[in-house]
Amino acid sequence: DAGITQSPRHKVTETGTPVTLRCHQTENHRYMYWYRQDPGHGLRLIHYSYGVKDTDKGEVSDGYSVSRSKTEDFLLTLESATSSQTSVYFCAINPTGTGNTIYFGEGSWLTVV
Amino acid sequence: AQSVTQPDIHITVSEGASLELRCNYSYGATPYLFWYVQSPGQGLQLLLKYFSGDTLVQGIKGFEAEFKRSQSSFNLRKPSVHWSDAAEYFCAVGATGTASKLTFGTGTRLQVTL
Repeated sequence: DAGITQSPRHKVTETGTPVTLRCHQTENHRYMYWYRQDPGHGLRLIHYSYGVKDTDKGEVSDGYSVSRSKTEDFLLTLESATSSQTSVYFCAINPTGTGNTIYFGEGSWLTVV
Repeated sequence: AQSVTQPDIHITVSEGASLELRCNYSYGATPYLFWYVQSPGQGLQLLLKYFSGDTLVQGIKGFEAEFKRSQSSFNLRKPSVHWSDAAEYFCAVGATGTASKLTFGTGTRLQVTL
């Protein structure tokens, strides 16, 4: 158990609507990540954070924004959801002292119709 | 930029048989290497990792992996597969000083026949 809570776990939304996914952790880890998982692509990094208000883009950041106003919460926002953003979204953390090891949450299944 | 190739999309083995899942990486220096396992509808669980030192690393659930620099490989092995090992397996590579930004392979789905 990585101590990560993702919400919502499942969501169906319409094209063009905004969507926010929340990742909550309770251990004050500095580094947090959002990945998306798609068949044939494995997991791809969307955005990551290295502290409060410190975020950076990953490999597939277009169409996504993030915010981290508190250490424990890392929010992923789809400003205007598209069908190509139908995916499983995973939050991850990098606990201090584990080197580059990251641990994943249980995932959020998002369907854009 | 680093990259990972898992050449086998799907593998089927009989319960009790040995298993080897292939992983090849591309990175200019010594990488950090990982294997994760994912059961359907679940998140990813870390099986094992290699940072440095002994090139044969042991993980959970009886898995091991060997880092071979000359072949740019980090293959996952298990001497005797159990039906509960059926899952998808992901290899990942990370580089030092990159805030743990891992690059994942596309995964290998393991099916175990009884």
